[in-house]
Amino acid sequence: DIQMTQSPSTLSASVGDRVTITCRASQNIDSWLAWYQQKPGKAPKFLISKASRLQSGVPSRFSGSGFGTEFTLTISSLQPDDFATYYCQQYNDYSWTFGQGTKVEVK
Amino acid sequence: QVRLEESGGAVVQPGKSLRLSCVASGFFFGSYGMHWVRQAPGKGLEWVAFVAFDGKNTLYADSVVGRFFISRDNSMGTIYLQMDSLRPEDTAVYYCAKGDASGWYFFEYWGQGTLVTVSS
Repeated sequence: DIQMTQSPSTLSASVGDRVTITCRASQNIDSWLAWYQQKPGKAPKFLISKASRLQSGVPSRFSGSGFGTEFTLTISSLQPDDFATYYCQQYNDYSWTFGQGTKVEVK
Repeated sequence: QVRLEESGGAVVQPGKSLRLSCVASGFFFGSYGMHWVRQAPGKGLEWVAFVAFDGKNTLYADSVVGRFFISRDNSMGTIYLQMDSLRPEDTAVYYCAKGDASGWYFFEYWGQGTLVTVSS
């Protein structure tokens, strides 16, 4: 099975900061990668598909990039609503796996 | 709008069975694959099972294969997760999720989840 590794596990930042989260796959997944945002006690929210496709209604300060084994989620200017945990997720060969999550907290 | 509502979560003893349901609305249910994803308390997300749009194909995580069974009733707009031989490590919030426009690669919409606790 493909393993997904996110870094960092926790990120301390301030409103207005540029934030970057990295996700590495243990083998090539082309662009079959998504990003989700989850707040405490809530279901995850689908942010980005196919590595870089922003979902409808997601603010343009969010962007995704990467291909193959290395991917990034960037928040260009962190807003108060963005403090949350972010997960990457891959699809390959009839299996779906998530990264362990990155918690973005207030610095 | 898309709505997914899970039910059936409970406290159950190890070795027992439980069936979860997820009622969907707001989209053409019979056109999309559906998933169950779980999250143990304080932990990350784990994909559990998938059922194709027509119910004819199913896939399972290694951790539940042979114990959990996913199915759907397109006439009722509902998917199910039959969980047998439950273990303490199955304790989690169970979410149902709609496959994205491609049908199955990503999880486009999520329900609010239902809590399953396996404990003696």
